[in-house]
Amino acid sequence: GAGVSQSPRYKVAKRGQDVALRCDPISGHVSLFWYQQALGQGPEFLTYFQNEAQLDKSGLPSDRFFAERPEGSVSTLKIQRTQQEDSAVYLCASSHGGVSGNTIYFGEGSWLTVV
Amino acid sequence: GNSVTQMEGPVTLSEEAFLTINCTYTATGYPSLFWYVQYPGEGLQLLLKATKADDKGSNKGFEATYRKETTSFHLEKGSVQVSDSAVYFCALNPWGSQGNLIFGKGTKLSVKP
Repeated sequence: GAGVSQSPRYKVAKRGQDVALRCDPISGHVSLFWYQQALGQGPEFLTYFQNEAQLDKSGLPSDRFFAERPEGSVSTLKIQRTQQEDSAVYLCASSHGGVSGNTIYFGEGSWLTVV
Repeated sequence: GNSVTQMEGPVTLSEEAFLTINCTYTATGYPSLFWYVQYPGEGLQLLLKATKADDKGSNKGFEATYRKETTSFHLEKGSVQVSDSAVYFCALNPWGSQGNLIFGKGTKLSVKP
């Protein structure tokens, strides 16, 4: 597709359940980002990939969060043993290169609700 | 550290009114600055950007000028339309970074006919 694609768009998980969120970046984009957006807040950085290498995971809030991009294209964000505070929109974004000033393109997000 | 502060909303305007949404930043070096817009039910879209001091970004009648002396990047539009109703996010990309964005909290704009 032409844009960043995320699935599922909506996910309701019971507390303690594991979830996996998928991101298909724009074809050819080297850089891939995951952000977390709580209700009424701006997006907050979680992690960054350049091709298959995870170069920055400083924003992951706990060791329950794990992301991968094994072949340098599709990425998966996994949350283990979900908690209510994990409820948020998870945004995936991609850009052509990993340099300051490049335009970053966002997907529509995966809305996670933990009950 | 790097941070973005933007005016709190919501902002309610009548159609054809003048819009200003203030944004100031804290950063070392020379960050790139962005405005993103989120329409109801949609994802974040880039509205405009500026990559160096005194640059003016513009798109769809919106504009913002990168002011290093006041560390600001205020968003303006001369005549808003109902279709401009959305949440607007100011963001910066630290100089020398891999391209990661740091966002403000967002300002919700409602335009009434």
